[in-house]
Amino acid sequence: DGGITQSPKYLFRKEGQNVTLSCEQNLNHDAMYWYRQDPGQGLRLIYYSQIVNDFQKGDIAEGYSVSREKKESFPLTVTSAQKNPTAFYLCASSIRDPNQDQPQHFGDGTRLSIL
Amino acid sequence: DQQVKQNSPSLSVQEGRISILNCDYTNSMFDYFLWYKKYPAEGPTFLISISSIKDKNEDGRFTVFLNKSAKHLSLHIVPSQPGDSAVYFCAARDGGYQKVTFGTGTKLQVIP
Repeated sequence: DGGITQSPKYLFRKEGQNVTLSCEQNLNHDAMYWYRQDPGQGLRLIYYSQIVNDFQKGDIAEGYSVSREKKESFPLTVTSAQKNPTAFYLCASSIRDPNQDQPQHFGDGTRLSIL
Repeated sequence: DQQVKQNSPSLSVQEGRISILNCDYTNSMFDYFLWYKKYPAEGPTFLISISSIKDKNEDGRFTVFLNKSAKHLSLHIVPSQPGDSAVYFCAARDGGYQKVTFGTGTKLQVIP
């Protein structure tokens, strides 16, 4: 079954620690995205990558970092510089084709909490 | 600056009736619009979309209408079913940057 796998489902972090959220897809999609969802708010874009070894900042990139070494993987690191990291994090992927209208497909998310 | 707005945080509808969810946008560069359905603790699921060159797209019980002059789109669900109860997000893609911006969501409750 093709899809997007985010792990772990729940993650706890101590103050001052960095933590990495995993996102893997087997849909052969070029583009991948990271969003954050807070209660009562929509999904806000953190980082996105249109192709391997390239990524761009989204609307709320401060305190986060990413890498895109493989097409299938787009891990997100929440650094200690992120002042309010408690949130629900969603990874998505899509076909990258300006001539096609294709939706993003999402994983089931990782809930990050501060201890 | 909220470029995609869903002004109704919640909506209750009787089973079998029509549900109408609304969305307004401000960015004239948006060229593709989507609706997603989301259950708690899960990722959003793509529901239906519409290109800016169209004004209507239909898929079974779901129809999306786009009014470009008003910068408004709506999702109609007919007939509504209890399983439709979820949070619905409107989203729009900026054709230039290929970025997708989401609204804040509308929680739909379909009452049996």
